[in-house]
Amino acid sequence: EIVLTQSPGTLSLSPGEGATLSCRASQSVSSNYLAWYQQKPGQAPRLLIYGASSRATGIPDRFSGSGSGTDFTLTISRLEPEDFAVYYCHHSGSPPYAFGQGTDLEIK
Amino acid sequence: QVQLVESGGGLAKPGGSLRLSCAASGFTFRDYYMTWVRQAPGKGLEWVCFVSGSSSSTIMYSDSVKGRFTISRDNAKNSLYLQMNSLRAEDTAVYYCARDALVDGLYFDYWGQGVLVTVSS
Repeated sequence: EIVLTQSPGTLSLSPGEGATLSCRASQSVSSNYLAWYQQKPGQAPRLLIYGASSRATGIPDRFSGSGSGTDFTLTISRLEPEDFAVYYCHHSGSPPYAFGQGTDLEIK
Repeated sequence: QVQLVESGGGLAKPGGSLRLSCAASGFTFRDYYMTWVRQAPGKGLEWVCFVSGSSSSTIMYSDSVKGRFTISRDNAKNSLYLQMNSLRAEDTAVYYCARDALVDGLYFDYWGQGVLVTVSS
């Protein structure tokens, strides 16, 4: 069973700054089947990145994903006010398909 | 436009049962894998189960629900279901249905608004 560990748990930044969120897997994620989701309070999650580095439809290019194997990163180049939310990584390499515990990106 | 609307949530007693439904529209339902994801109050996301497309030939469950929950679909009714039996307090959560993005891997590109299930005596 692959466990995903996200860091940091909370990230406090200001609009305009860049953000780097990490997701580490306990075993290699096959075929880099790794996604990132954004969730705002009271809303369903939104797919940002799939296949570790491909942006989903309609996602701004300030969001980028990278990594392979066990180490993955979500980078937000210039934070907009609407980007402050909780971010989850998720793998579908082999069942069970777990989510990370989330990173809370909050306004400083 | 793609819409997913869950229903059937509510209060159930420990050991009881509930059946969730997810009504899909705006896409060819039978062509898509469908998934249930849940989120306990104030907690993170937990993948629950998925079912493959037209023939429901592939079904997988998380260990936490295996043997208690059953996912199914009715492609003629464009509907996804989750039969939840032997409910426990730890099953209390908002349950989301989600559509697979139809790329390699299992990714959820559309989600319902979620339905709350509360298990309490």
